This record gives sequence, C-alpha cells and structure tokens, in this order.
Amino acid sequence: DARVTQTPRHKVTEMGQEVTMRCQPILGHNTVFWYRQTMMQGLELLAYFRNRAPLDDSGMPKDRFSAEMPDATLATLKIQPSEPRDSAVYFCASGSRYRGSGQETQYFGPGTRLLVL
Amino acid sequence: SQQGEEDPQALSIQEGENATMNCSYKTSINNLQWYRQNSGRGLVHLILIRSNEREKHSGRLRVTLDTSKKSSSLLITASRAADTASYFCATDDRGSTLGRLYFGRGTQLTVWP
Repeated sequence: DARVTQTPRHKVTEMGQEVTMRCQPILGHNTVFWYRQTMMQGLELLAYFRNRAPLDDSGMPKDRFSAEMPDATLATLKIQPSEPRDSAVYFCASGSRYRGSGQETQYFGPGTRLLVL
Repeated sequence: SQQGEEDPQALSIQEGENATMNCSYKTSINNLQWYRQNSGRGLVHLILIRSNEREKHSGRLRVTLDTSKKSSSLLITASRAADTASYFCATDDRGSTLGRLYFGRGTQLTVWP
C-alpha cells in the first residue's frame, strides 16, 4: 500500500535551532506539496514542486524557510532559525493525476508535529 | 483568494442520521474535491466531482456541485461513529495550470454512538 512518509513525526526544539523535515512521496508521483496546519490559520500551502522543480513557494517565509527536492524520492523543508510561531503540523502531500481529468488528487503524509519553545 | 469555505464549522449528530456539509468558493473551477482528516492524521481524499457534473456518489457519500452558485455539498448517509472527523473541500482554479488546490477551514463532524 503506497504511502507518503514523513520524518520525524514529532519534533520539539528551542527557538533559534534549525529544523529539517523530510518527506518521501509516493513512487511515481511527480508533484510534492508542503502544507502547514494550525488552529488559527487552517491549512496553508507553503511550497510545491513538479518534477523536482519549484512551482510556487510564495506561501513560505523566505527569510527562514527553504524547501528542496534533492531527488525524486526526497523532499525537505528546513526552518532556520526556528521561532515559536512556527509551531504547527507540517504535512507533505504528493500528487497524482485523477483518471485523466487533469486534476491532481493529493495523498497526504501523517505530518510532522513541530513545537518550538 | 480561491479558498473554499465550509459550512457549518461544526456539526454534531447521532449515529444513523445523515450529515450534510456545504462548501462555497469564489472563482471558476475545473474540479472540486472533498477530503477527510481524522484527529492527528493527514488528509485523505474522498471524492472528486468535475465542473460538468452535478452529482456523484461513492458508497454512503453523495456530492453535489452547483457551479452557478459556486457551491458544493457533501452528504454522508447513515452516519457512524467512525465518520467523526474534519471534512475539507478543495478547489482548483480554472485560470491556472499549476494544479494547486485551495482548501477551506473544514467542518468538524462528531457522530455520537
């Protein structure tokens, strides 16, 4: 059963520390999305890639966040330096075309729950 | 923005009852999707309806789409306690080819045994 995997599942860190989150998309999916979910803001799109190229990262604070796809099996999201307001659940999702409709169904990972103290 | 809005924000019903959630959006779409999120988990795709479709069924799920009103509804029939979750609608943007989805804030459904 193909799934998106994310590591770590939980992360507690102190303000100012670097945080790296990793995602392994479903094999064969060519689009990867990073989302952040909080009670206040809901689900926010941070960045996404197609065929490893960044398509849009306008939702991401550029001064501290960076997203990359070193290869087709790994996507990373880094926060440096981290701040308490970054505390949230970060989801990775990978995309699959839906039966020729052209619209991508997204498959979400279990998320990384980040707490910055 | 295109972000969808679900209504109500929270819904509480008894097992066996039907649950109806609504979604409104702003711009023209190609498709609309519904997702479910159980507490502490990632979102799971439930169903997709295309802009040229008016109704779609999948098991106990029934989705309708009214593009003239820019709205959709998700009906869960004969609900079960296991249906307790948050439900999100997600739309694309017909004016864009980038393939991103716009998610609403979700409806929290609680089904009491």
